[in-house]
Amino acid sequence: DGGITQSPKYLFRKEGQNVTLSCEQNLNHDAMYWYRQDPGQGLRLIYYSQIVNDFQKGDIAEGYSVSREKKESFPLTVTSAQKNPTAFYLCATTRGGQENTEAFFGQGTRLTVV
Amino acid sequence: QQQVKQSPQSLIVQKGGISIINCAYENTAFDYFPWYQQFPGKGPALLIAIRPDVSEKKEGRFTISFNKSAKQFSLHIMDSQPGDSATYFCAASISGGKLIFGQGTELSVKP
Repeated sequence: DGGITQSPKYLFRKEGQNVTLSCEQNLNHDAMYWYRQDPGQGLRLIYYSQIVNDFQKGDIAEGYSVSREKKESFPLTVTSAQKNPTAFYLCATTRGGQENTEAFFGQGTRLTVV
Repeated sequence: QQQVKQSPQSLIVQKGGISIINCAYENTAFDYFPWYQQFPGKGPALLIAIRPDVSEKKEGRFTISFNKSAKQFSLHIMDSQPGDSATYFCAASISGGKLIFGQGTELSVKP
């Protein structure tokens, strides 16, 4: 069953705690992305990676960190420096390269600060 | 320059009516314009996409109209159905690069 798996579906974070959101894909896609979704603000890009062992900051990278040690995996860590982390987080992939191709999304992780 | 502006933020349409969502961009280097559909609690999925060398693309009840000179593109949903109720996002990218999304439109189709 091909696709993108995000886990967990729901996550609760205490103040001052780091949490890591998982994103795994078996589409053999080169590029992976993390977006944050808040009501009325669309999808804002946090980080993206076009190749293993390389990644770039998106528009709202502050308070987040990522790694890309394997092609299949692109975990996102929400650090205690992110002051307002409550949101819906979406991982996406594209085939990569110079050609525009469809982005495939996971089912998302809803993070809540308690 | 990297922004994509989408309107309206919400839209209510009667069953059988036409839903129209508009997007505008500034960066003339954008060369790919997809629309995504998202149901509550799910990730977005590609609905239809267009490149700037055509002015219109139709897939079933869904049509993208593209106006290169005005730097605008729109999604038309003909014969809107309650099952079309979802959030719709326009987006733009340059040559396989990162997608820049609009703010989203929450569509509600009333029976």
